[in-house]
Amino acid sequence: NAGVTQTPKFQVLKTGQSMTLQCAQDMNHNSMYWYRQDPGMGLRLIYYSASEGTTDKGEVPNGYNVSRLNKREFSLRLESAAPSQTSVYFCASSEYRGGSDTQYFGPGTRLTVL
Amino acid sequence: QQQVKQSPQSLIVQKGGISIINCAYENTAFDYFPWYQQFPGKGPALLIAIRPDVSEKKEGRFTISFNKSAKQFSLHIMDSQPGDSATYFCAASKGGSYIPTFGRGTSLIVHP
Repeated sequence: NAGVTQTPKFQVLKTGQSMTLQCAQDMNHNSMYWYRQDPGMGLRLIYYSASEGTTDKGEVPNGYNVSRLNKREFSLRLESAAPSQTSVYFCASSEYRGGSDTQYFGPGTRLTVL
Repeated sequence: QQQVKQSPQSLIVQKGGISIINCAYENTAFDYFPWYQQFPGKGPALLIAIRPDVSEKKEGRFTISFNKSAKQFSLHIMDSQPGDSATYFCAASKGGSYIPTFGRGTSLIVHP
């Protein structure tokens, strides 16, 4: 049971390049999320998918797009990377059960945009 | 507008001491309050959580205290150990809303 997996672990891009961050979960959760973490800013929600077939913007969606490929997979795409997108990106999944909706996080992708 | 305010931003404690991190929320509809622990280079992971129908929950050295009237909750780490050095996030959510609200995190350093 791998939980939430993310690829790649590290990435360096030049300004204007594009890339897709991959995320998969094996817990049969309906909801999936993409966050970015910056020093002093905590975890900020980029996009989320409440269930397969739906996606919605979070707090900081500009410059990103997402695809919920199936129930297991949720990808984040940077079409034209900017230095302001240098960050650590976390994917998470959750399921509302028994009054709790704990988030399960992946190990993160550390992205540097030069 | 920050719906969950966490303090302090950083905390240094001696081994064996008590670490206390506080969070305050605004939305009275929140009904689930988890704390997450994040070690350097790792993703956050659930440490302990509480629902508003209880005022305290204890798991080992970790205790959540919850004050519904003050809209505040706190994490107490008793007998703090160097291995507790991590970033701690509080969060709050309303069941079925899909979107949790996180505090900005507290960096805890426990000196040997």
